Parts: sequence; structure tokens; C-alpha cells
Amino acid sequence: GENVEQHPSTLSVQEGDSAVIKCTYSDSASNYFPWYKQELGKRPQLIIDIRSNVGEKKDQRIAVTLNKTAKHFSLHITETQPEDSAVYFCAAKYNFNKFYFGSGTKLNVKP
Amino acid sequence: EAGVAQSPRYKIIEKRQSVAFWCNPISGHATLYWYQQILGQGPKLLIQFQNNGVVDDSQLPKDRFSAERLKGVDSTLKIQPAKLEDSAVYLCASSLQRLTDTQYFGPGTRLTVL
Repeated sequence: GENVEQHPSTLSVQEGDSAVIKCTYSDSASNYFPWYKQELGKRPQLIIDIRSNVGEKKDQRIAVTLNKTAKHFSLHITETQPEDSAVYFCAAKYNFNKFYFGSGTKLNVKP
Repeated sequence: EAGVAQSPRYKIIEKRQSVAFWCNPISGHATLYWYQQILGQGPKLLIQFQNNGVVDDSQLPKDRFSAERLKGVDSTLKIQPAKLEDSAVYLCASSLQRLTDTQYFGPGTRLTVL
């Protein structure tokens, strides 16, 4: 069945370093891949997304890359700051606007 | 623009009791989702509505969970009877229409079943 695998489950980086989170999906028909940031006790917030007709998208310190052949996509955060500390979820859209989420990556940015 | 509203924010019940959650999506959003998020996991889709019709409820435990969106606007999710493993955050999300991708999440209802 459809699923999304996300790695790593936890990631600890020093402030200013880069962080990379990777996800793989199973359905080659998936065409939309959002990333959400969820701070403790708060709702998931969309931070960036990418559609299948694009290989890369950037928004300031955040970028997402997509490899359709390999069916994986990655979130890149550069110049990390303590306020980037949160749980990050990837998701993939399947038929009928149905979303499957990864299991989450807890990012800890150490000052 | 007002966001997705959910109530209550927190609920504590004993097993075998019943509970209901309410969601009011962003005005004009035709698609509404209910997700279950167990601690340390990603959201899992329970049910998806397009207006007042069910698009997908394949992962809804129908022996104890039910949901409705009678007028195509707000929605309720009910659990009856609750089990310990139902302890989770229940998130509601909405999107403008079925083919428009961006989902907006509500603050969630944290359910604790004792």
C-alpha cells in the first residue's frame, strides 16, 4: 500500500550548520510533496512544498529537492537557528487529494 | 483569514466512555480531513470529506469511530466506546477544494483515555 518513509527520526546539529531530512514514497503517481513543521503542542505548519514537475524549490534558508525516478524528496535547512528546533513531517499526495505523512524528524539545533 | 477551529482542546475520559470533537474549517473550504496523531508519529488520515460526502474512510475504525459533516461546513468526530489506544491528538484540516493541495490544520484536540 501507499506509505512514506522518513529519516532520520532525530537530528541534532550545531547552530549555523545545515540539516537534511529525507523521505521516500511508494506511489509513482504522487505529484505533490509538502513539508510541515510542528512545534511542541502546536499544529503542523506548512513550510515548503514541491510539485512533481519541479526538481528543486527554495525559500530563503529552506529548500526541497525531488527525485521522481528514485521516488524520494529531501528538506534542506541551511544556517540553522535554535528556533528551527521542532518536529518536521514530510507528506505525499496520492489519489483524491489523500495525504500520507512520514513518521517525523525531531530536529534539535544546539546554540 | 480565520483558521481552522477545533474544540475542545483537551479531553480526558475513562475507557468505554464516549467523546465527540468538533471542527469548523476555513470558510469556503470544501475538503475536510480528520487525522489521528499518536505521540511520536505522523498524522494518520481517518476520514476525508468533500462537501458533505465521504471521499475516504478506509482507515476509520468504524466499529467505534464515526464522523459527519451534514451541511458541508463543520464536522464532528465521535468515539464510542473509547479504548486506551485512542489516546492521541485529533487534528482537523481543510483545503479549498479537492484538487487544490494546501491543507491548513487546526490546533487539535488532545484526548487522554484512562
